[in-house]
Amino acid sequence: DTAVSQTPKYLVTQMGNDKSIKCEQNLGHDTMYWYKQDSKKFLKIMFSYNNKELIINETVPNRFSPKSPDKAHLNLHINSLELGDSAVYFCASSQLAREETQYFGPGTRLLVL
Amino acid sequence: SQQGEEDPQALSIQEGENATMNCSYKTSINNLQWYRQNSGRGLVHLILIRSNEREKHSGRLRVTLDTSKKSSSLLITASRAADTASYFCATVPPSYDKVIFGPGTSLSVIP
Repeated sequence: DTAVSQTPKYLVTQMGNDKSIKCEQNLGHDTMYWYKQDSKKFLKIMFSYNNKELIINETVPNRFSPKSPDKAHLNLHINSLELGDSAVYFCASSQLAREETQYFGPGTRLLVL
Repeated sequence: SQQGEEDPQALSIQEGENATMNCSYKTSINNLQWYRQNSGRGLVHLILIRSNEREKHSGRLRVTLDTSKKSSSLLITASRAADTASYFCATVPPSYDKVIFGPGTSLSVIP
């Protein structure tokens, strides 16, 4: 059973396009996250949702919009993709919002051409 | 910023040797966690140590925490080729609801 799953695994697209990445967790966790990992492996939090409510919104361009239809799903929509958006995007979940162990998905490798 | 920093950036050892990675951070924490990332995969949680703990063990892993020096170390004993991965420390400040990751140490264990 996959605990945290993401689709698609790979995404290659042209600059200016709009794309979405989906994430689902079957762990019954209340909190979900989106992280961006750049080419140097630096991992930076983008968003966090707790029970479908946005609780963390780091300095991320407005082109990025998370959506949580229910607490098991957190999707990431990206408008007007730019070259600098190329990275690996990880979804994660945790039981609580605070200090708890995070469980990561396998990542979505986004390449913007 | 709260960001942790791992040291060294890269480490290459022979199978059977011990590997030690260090993490330093800047402000007070609630806890510190270590994660492993195999190539092309997501991060996997290894161990969590709270600010009032000094040492923790899990199998071949030993983590120490020195809050006075704002540093932690991860020791992997009797390393195996399968331990080849990137290792990240992550800190959680007392009043902030997020985990902040350091840049990671890339460990290569040569068979």
